[in-house]
Amino acid sequence: EIVLTQSPGTLSLSPGERATLSCRASQSVSSIYLAWYQQKPGQAPRLLIYGASSRASGVPDRFSGSGSGTDFTLTISRLEPEDFAVYHCQQYGSSPPMYTFGQGTKLEIK
Amino acid sequence: QLQLQESGPGLVKPSETLSLTCTVSGGSISNTHYYWGWIRQPPGKGLEWIESMSHSGSTYYNPSLKSRVTISVDPSKNQVSLRLSSVTAADTAVYYCAASTPGMIDYWGQGTLVTVSS
Repeated sequence: EIVLTQSPGTLSLSPGERATLSCRASQSVSSIYLAWYQQKPGQAPRLLIYGASSRASGVPDRFSGSGSGTDFTLTISRLEPEDFAVYHCQQYGSSPPMYTFGQGTKLEIK
Repeated sequence: QLQLQESGPGLVKPSETLSLTCTVSGGSISNTHYYWGWIRQPPGKGLEWIESMSHSGSTYYNPSLKSRVTISVDPSKNQVSLRLSSVTAADTAVYYCAASTPGMIDYWGQGTLVTVSS
């Protein structure tokens, strides 16, 4: 079973700054099966990035994803107040089919 | 735009069976594009995928929960159901209904908190 480790656990930044969130897999992951979600308190997660680098519908272009193999990154180029939330990475394994999530990174206002 | 809405008891006793239903609107559950399934999140913790069912009826389970989980689909009601048996306090979580395609969870329900307590 693939384990996803997200770092840092908590990231404290100010609006306008750049955020870089990491997701590392215990073994190689197909990029087409790597996704990122944003979750605000009391809400369900929202799909941000799929296929490691494709933005979901309606996601602002300040969000970008990159990476391959075992190392993936979510970058928020210039933080807006509404971006402070928890971010989860997720991978899908096809044999057997299953979804695995990282433990999440909390992005908080400094 | 799919909308998913979970329903079911918010409190379940230890050793009993947790049963939840997800009603899908804005599209047919017979849509071959999506897998239908469940994901949970214990309070203050991360997300855990539970199970999914494909359009062909194939079901896929988290190995850690497989022995206790059953998923079913009722196309006539456009509903997906979850049953989790022999629950303990560790099963206390927000349970989300989900529509997914290989690689990502496209749609989420709003979630329902289920507490396991006597």
